[in-house]
Amino acid sequence: QKEVEQNSGPLSVPEGAIASLNCTYSDRGSQSFFWYRQYSGKSPELIMFIYSNGDKEDGRFTAQLNKASQYVSLLIRDSQPSDSATYLCAVRNAGGTSYGKLTFGQGTILTVHP
Amino acid sequence: ETGVTQSPTHLIKTRGQQVTLRCSSQSGHNTVSWYQQALGQGPQFIFQYYREEENGRGNFPPRFSGLQFPNYSSELNVNALELDDSALYLCASSTGGAQNTGELFFGEGSRLTVL
Repeated sequence: QKEVEQNSGPLSVPEGAIASLNCTYSDRGSQSFFWYRQYSGKSPELIMFIYSNGDKEDGRFTAQLNKASQYVSLLIRDSQPSDSATYLCAVRNAGGTSYGKLTFGQGTILTVHP
Repeated sequence: ETGVTQSPTHLIKTRGQQVTLRCSSQSGHNTVSWYQQALGQGPQFIFQYYREEENGRGNFPPRFSGLQFPNYSSELNVNALELDDSALYLCASSTGGAQNTGELFFGEGSRLTVL
């Protein structure tokens, strides 16, 4: 079992729809959860992070975390063609001093078509 | 724009050669981590440097090594290059210690092709 798994893509949604991206993780000690967006040929850029169970909203983006189910998701409302990218889920374990260590999923390719 | 710069942006090497990639971290960040991203995959953690010492390593062989300098910039060295080393190499900076939030700020990457 992979440490971080994302829903298989690619995912295609029409402009204006809600895109739902899902991620599960295997380490129950994980404490911090991140969603990165990566355009083709570019480096990942942070969209959101979440630490506590529940929802966290930032503009059109909502991250949802359920530690009991070891599940984190990202909802993108009113999807735009500019949201077309690969979305990476990343997890950080608690403790130690590996401040820069995140475990990434394989990514989900999202295409928003006009 | 994250303030993290990497060089070179692209390079081509042949199998068996050695390569050095460089990274300047964001101002105020004392932790640099390196990731390898193969085509179609998520980034994989290689190692991290905190206050000039390697401080955490992923599942990569010893021919992957690095350095961090007093100004917190860093180098990634790969010896005896193999075809499977072809990938995008990402440098990320962050703040270590009690102020760490887990957020990473990535540079634009160095794309290495091994022939």
